[in-house]
Amino acid sequence: GAVVSQHPSRVICKSGTSVKIECRSLDFQATTMFWYRQFPKKSLMLMATSNEGSKATYEQGVEKDKFLINHASLTLSTLTVTSAHPEDSSFYICSARVGSPHTDTQYFGPGTRLTVL
Amino acid sequence: DAKTTQPPSMDCAEGRAANLPCNHSTISGNEYVYWYRQIHSQGPQYIIHGLKNNETNEMASLIITEDRKSSTLILPHATLRDTAVYYCIVTLTGNQFYFGTGTSLTVIP
Repeated sequence: GAVVSQHPSRVICKSGTSVKIECRSLDFQATTMFWYRQFPKKSLMLMATSNEGSKATYEQGVEKDKFLINHASLTLSTLTVTSAHPEDSSFYICSARVGSPHTDTQYFGPGTRLTVL
Repeated sequence: DAKTTQPPSMDCAEGRAANLPCNHSTISGNEYVYWYRQIHSQGPQYIIHGLKNNETNEMASLIITEDRKSSTLILPHATLRDTAVYYCIVTLTGNQFYFGTGTSLTVIP
């Protein structure tokens, strides 16, 4: 199956700093990637849709100036959490869309655990 | 918002079939039913998806009712490694996924 990687897997940072998370499709090209956030014992919450070569589409309530998304190539999307605060501590997961109409699905990365001190 | 309802938890004996239900009474004609599972602290893993017909792959079977208002994911011979949270998602192909709360399946030795 399609493989999606994320880097880093874990990151700890001080309050006020910015953190960049990378999402790569390793064996396929993805015009569309998605970013999710998951708090402990909660379900995944979609943050934004990332389209290669265009601006990301953010879900309602997600601050686009705080969560910067760049999808500069068909295999890489990045999420930058700017001026991170403890409440931004969470598990961030990306996915990449694969396939044609009947086979279309998303493959997920392993996630990045962000801890803001 | 999620368009599915799943029981919050289920148990299954190891070696037995696990049948996980999902209600999606407001599904539209072109929407697919997707199933994923998430093992603790990992990204979700794709299991199977379908539109109208029942589907089977090496991991599971998906049974969709004729009116498409509900479906069942069947793991034919559950193992301890199948313990996970299972999510049923209804969406148009290529569209965003909105996750519900899922079913936490515990496989008991």
